[in-house]
Formats: sequence, C-alpha cells, structure tokens
Amino acid sequence: EVQLVQSGGGLVQPGGSLRLSCVASGFSIGGYWMSWVRQAPGKGLEWVANIKQDGSEKYYVDSVKGRFTISRDNAKNSLFLQMNSLRAGDTAVYYCATSFSGYGSDWGQGTLVTVSS
Amino acid sequence: EVVLTQSPATLSLSPGERATLSCRASQSISSYLAWYQQKPGQAPSLLIYDASKRATGIPARFSGSGSGTDFTLTISSLEPEDFAVYYCQQRSIWPQTFGQGTRLEI
Repeated sequence: EVQLVQSGGGLVQPGGSLRLSCVASGFSIGGYWMSWVRQAPGKGLEWVANIKQDGSEKYYVDSVKGRFTISRDNAKNSLFLQMNSLRAGDTAVYYCATSFSGYGSDWGQGTLVTVSS
Repeated sequence: EVVLTQSPATLSLSPGERATLSCRASQSISSYLAWYQQKPGQAPSLLIYDASKRATGIPARFSGSGSGTDFTLTISSLEPEDFAVYYCQQRSIWPQTFGQGTRLEI
C-alpha cells in the first residue's frame, strides 16, 4: 500500500524555524518528482515547492523563496521542507505529495504549522 | 501566474442529480488541468488529470472536459459520498495554481 506519513509540524513563533518530514512506504520516491502543498485554515490549496527525482531542480512559489528549502533523501525514502523566518501567513496544513506529471497523485495526511506568538 | 476561477462557489443538489462544475483559466493552459476532491479533515484526492483522464480507481460517473481556458467537471449521478469540495489545478505554468474551490452540498 502506498503511504506518505508526515511529521514535524507544531507551534512556532514568528521568525522561527521548523522542519517537516514525509516518509514514504509501499513505493520508492526516487522515481518521482515530489511536492509540498499547503492549505491555510478554511482556505484553498497553494502549491509551495517541487523537487526533481535526483534533487537537481527545485521550484518554489514566490512567497516562500529564500525562506523555505525542499530536499529529499531517496535512500531513506524521505522528503523534507525546511522552513525558516516563518510568518503568520505561513500558518497552514502542509501536505507532501507525489507529483505525477505535475499533479498530486498520492498525498500525506497533512501536518499543521501554526506561526503565532 | 495563472489564475483559475471556479464557479459556482457553492452548488446545492440532491443524490441522483447531475453536477456540472466549471473552471476558467486566465490564460491558455492547453489540457494541463486536474480536478481534486477534498472531504473535511482529509487530503485532496486526484480525480481527473490532463483535463479528461480519470485517475486510477475513479468511478466512471466522474468526467472532465475542456481545453485552453474553459474546463468542466461533470458528475453524472451524484452519490452521497460525492458531497465535498472540488478544486481545479493547472500544471502548465509554474507556479502550479489551484482554483478557489466549489463546495458541492446537499
């Protein structure tokens, strides 16, 4: 069974940092682009970042450029999102997803990140 | 950035009825559009990709059509489990963007 299990969310003060993790089972992430997508409370979806199979290409939405870093460890079947200089506007449920031709085919359960003092 | 506008914002129907959801892009995105279903407290689930291709395991009552700037998701006969929020998403131009969603309610 394909599964993406996320961890690492929580409450952080403005300006702080968090690292999200996403561990895959049932398949090898090495064959796929991977993505992070977020959803602010009660709001719609926003694509945050993509990373190529070998990590050689990364793309970010403008609002997180220079603050967030997407990375992966194919040997550990894991995807990461390092989030620095967090702002209130980053408060959201963050989902990891397998990117199938640019679409989110399999999704993690989501993890809530709350940025507040 | 490609803006996707979904209509209506809310659609009220009954089981057995036909649902038609629309998504309009601010510029041409060819057929690079997907539809997702999201139920409360759950991650989105891919229904349709490349405008008209059903994802694995998706029932035939779900169909997608359109190209360029105008797209439609049709649910031919609503089942109780179909009442949810539906999002369209384009992958033609980075950043990939989503529409604001259509809530399908009883």
